[in-house]
Amino acid sequence: QKEVEQNSGPLSVPEGAIASLNCTYSDRGSQSFFWYRQYSGKSPELIMFIYSNGDKEDGRFTAQLNKASQYVSLLIRDSQPSDSATYLCAVIGPTNAGKSTFGDGTTLTVKP
Amino acid sequence: DADVTQTPRNRITKTGKRIMLECSQTKGHDRMYWYRQDPGLGLRLIYYSFDVKDINKGEISDGYSVSRQAQAKFSLSLESAIPNQTALYFCATSDVGQGTDTQYFGPGTRLTVL
Repeated sequence: QKEVEQNSGPLSVPEGAIASLNCTYSDRGSQSFFWYRQYSGKSPELIMFIYSNGDKEDGRFTAQLNKASQYVSLLIRDSQPSDSATYLCAVIGPTNAGKSTFGDGTTLTVKP
Repeated sequence: DADVTQTPRNRITKTGKRIMLECSQTKGHDRMYWYRQDPGLGLRLIYYSFDVKDINKGEISDGYSVSRQAQAKFSLSLESAIPNQTALYFCATSDVGQGTDTQYFGPGTRLTVL
């Protein structure tokens, strides 16, 4: 079992729809959770981080964390074609000495 | 100017050659990392350094070595390049002192080993 798993995708949504990206992790003691966006051929950049159970909103983006279910998600409301990218989930837990473990990413395409 | 820079941006080399990828940062972060990314895969950690005197292997360190010349510089070497080391390589920094340990990535080096 991978430490961090994401839906392999690709995920396609129409413009204006809600895109839902999911990530599960195996280390129950994990404490920090990150979503990065990576455009094709570019480097990853942080969208959001979340530490506490519940929702965290930033503009059109909402991160949701459920530690009991070991699940973190990213919702993108009013999806735009410019949101088309690969989204990487990263987790920091006690067993990886403060390093981020990345999932393989989910590729999102927003169709006009 | 970019906070995290990588040189070269693209490199084509032949099997058996020794090459070095360089990373510099102006963010003042203590932590630096080298990752490789293959198509359809996430980021896999090669080496990391939490300060100048601290070097640690990541999950795929075989065939690679690193040098932390200063807080701002972290170099990755392929002693004898092989074709399956063809990949996109990213350097990253982080500063746990900011409370988030967010990773800041360089632009990447695309390496092709023939």
